[in-house]
Amino acid sequence: DAKTTQPNSMESNEEEPVHLPCNHSTISGTDYIHWYRQLPSQGPEYVIHGLTSNVNNRMASLAIAEDRKSSTLILHRATLRDAAVYYCILSHSNYQLIWGAGTKLIIKP
Amino acid sequence: DVKVTQSSRYLVKRTGEKVFLECVQDMDHENMFWYRQDPGLGLRLIYFSYDVKMKEKGDIPEGYSVSREKKERFSLILESASTNQTSMYLCASSRTGSIHYGYTFGSGTRLTVV
Repeated sequence: DAKTTQPNSMESNEEEPVHLPCNHSTISGTDYIHWYRQLPSQGPEYVIHGLTSNVNNRMASLAIAEDRKSSTLILHRATLRDAAVYYCILSHSNYQLIWGAGTKLIIKP
Repeated sequence: DVKVTQSSRYLVKRTGEKVFLECVQDMDHENMFWYRQDPGLGLRLIYFSYDVKMKEKGDIPEGYSVSREKKERFSLILESASTNQTSMYLCASSRTGSIHYGYTFGSGTRLTVV
C-alpha cells in the first residue's frame, strides 16, 4: 500500500491560513487522497478527499499536485477549534484506509 | 445529526475476561469497522464488515472476533482480554461507495486491561 509522509507538527496563528503538506510519492493512479482530523478525546472526523482535481468544501480546500505525488490541505482561516491531529491517507478501496502518524496542528491565539 | 455510538467511553477489565464492545450507527451504512489506536502506531484496522453477518479480517485480528447480526450494530469481542489489548478502540461506518462520502467515527472506548 502506498504511504504518506507528513510533518510531525505545525504551528499557526489564529485567523491566518494554514497549509498542511503531505507527500505520497508512491501513489497509484486509482488511489484517492483523504484527509481526516482528530480533535483531543474524539474519534477522527472526515475533512475532504480528492483524486486529481483540487477540491473545496465548507471545512477546507485540497490542492493536489499535477503529478499527484503531493497534496496540501488548506484551512483558510484557522480558529482555536481547528487544533487537532490531521491525517493524510491514501485509499483505492472502500475498506482500507492506511493511517500514518499525522500532523499535530497547534493554533496560537 | 448522524451518529456512530459506542456503548462505553471508558472500560476497565481484568485479564482473562471476555469483553464486548458495542457500536451502533443510525445512518443505514453498509460498512462498519473496528480500529484500535495506540500512541506512535496510529489507527490499525482489526475487523470490518460490509454486510450483515459478513466480516473480514483487518491488519491485526488476533485475539479479537466480531459479530454483525443487524445492519446497525457491530460488536467487537475480546475472547480473553490481555494487558496488551489496553488501547483506544474506535468504531466507524461508511456507505458503500464511501470513497465519495467518508467514514463516520464514534468517540471511542478507552479500554484498560489490568
